[in-house]
Amino acid sequence: EAGVTQFPSHSVIEKGQTVTLRCDPISGHDNLYWYRRVMGKEIKFLLHFVKESKQDESGMPNNRFLAERTGGTYSTLKVQPAELEDSGVYFCASSLLGGFGQFFGPGTRLTVL
Amino acid sequence: AQSVTQLDSQVPVFEEAPVELRCNYSSSVSVYLFWYVQYPNQGLQLLLKYLSGSTLVESINGFEAEFNKSQTSFHLRKPSVHISDTAEYFCAVRGSNYKLTFGKGTLLTVNP
Repeated sequence: EAGVTQFPSHSVIEKGQTVTLRCDPISGHDNLYWYRRVMGKEIKFLLHFVKESKQDESGMPNNRFLAERTGGTYSTLKVQPAELEDSGVYFCASSLLGGFGQFFGPGTRLTVL
Repeated sequence: AQSVTQLDSQVPVFEEAPVELRCNYSSSVSVYLFWYVQYPNQGLQLLLKYLSGSTLVESINGFEAEFNKSQTSFHLRKPSVHISDTAEYFCAVRGSNYKLTFGKGTLLTVNP
């Protein structure tokens, strides 16, 4: 069974540009989460989808970040316009409804110059 | 709200030595506790979890962690480490909602 996949693995963009990150959860996992690790800091929660609905988006830094999960399958996280402080590793995770273990993808390393 | 403190940012040890990675948490509600591991150039992998029941939980690769409610700790131990255990280890807590709160991570370096 395939794990959580994320695309791209790395992205280097300039300040002011737009970037879209994609996450494909494990098949059958209705819960999908986004987390971010800024260099030197802890991994922080961004938001949680249950199927296509946003259950909790309390961790989203500001309105430059937009997450979607159309059809309740894959999810995208768009940053527009990107700022220097958005640099970091963005992780996606998924789990079954009622499941306790979250399975993480390899992450997307975003560098904003 | 929950928080997690990993007291050591880096732990260097020699191969076959024992190791303990410390984790303390704070929470006003019952929690579920996790250890994740990130090997070089890989994603996070769930190492072990405490949900309820026995306070001592074990992983398949020889690590164990003990939930201590009175000390609000969930330290990770291994009696004899291998070079391949070199990785960054993250302690995390989950309350009644789904989101995980992580510590800052401990980089375990096993030297020959």
